[in-house]
Amino acid sequence: AQSVTQLDSHVSVSEGTPVLLRCNYSSSYSPSLFWYVQHPNKGLQLLLKYTSAATLVKGINGFEAEFKKSETSFHLTKPSAHMSDAAEYFCVVSEGASGGSYIPTFGRGTSLIVHP
Amino acid sequence: EAGVTQSPTHLIKTRGQQVTLRCSPISGHTSVYWYQQALGLGLQFLLWYDEGEERNRGNFPPRFSGRQFPNYSSELNVNALELEDSALYLCASSLVSSGTYQETQYFGPGTRLLVL
Repeated sequence: AQSVTQLDSHVSVSEGTPVLLRCNYSSSYSPSLFWYVQHPNKGLQLLLKYTSAATLVKGINGFEAEFKKSETSFHLTKPSAHMSDAAEYFCVVSEGASGGSYIPTFGRGTSLIVHP
Repeated sequence: EAGVTQSPTHLIKTRGQQVTLRCSPISGHTSVYWYQQALGLGLQFLLWYDEGEERNRGNFPPRFSGRQFPNYSSELNVNALELEDSALYLCASSLVSSGTYQETQYFGPGTRLLVL
């Protein structure tokens, strides 16, 4: 069975400062992991994905995430926040490619607030 | 390349009515997923269709149903609407490549349903 925990429901940063959104996962397989972003009243946009290649994954808009198997974590970072980064972020785990379910499990989301 | 499209964008219904939501996947994608995003409940998996067949179903009552057409577009039907069905309904599509399901899902903008 798979599960994902986003450790913070809200993260507040100032524009230009680093962003860290934390995600821990649990899986019986070798999972794929994703981060999606959802701006208000919009659908989800894929930021980046980890699929057992390089553990440091670069995504769009300057975001990156590091897969740490020993810590079962997949935290999302960005060196410098921009006002346009304010949104809801979802960490997602899927086991389909490694023998489990193709139905992904979504975290509850982290709301990123960016102050001018 | 056109993304996932959904219609309508917004819908207002009253309790007991029935509603049909529509989704067109990205060209070449055969798998379609439906999710419900209700306030405070995160994304809940509803249904997965591929090649016209229902592949998996989430923990929702039978009044939630759907189908997939030969062109891979999909409908979600909800009968006997209840107040708690008010939510953003998201559709996502993914590719099947060389007989293998791809885990990356691409989301549409959603249909916001309000039940009064």
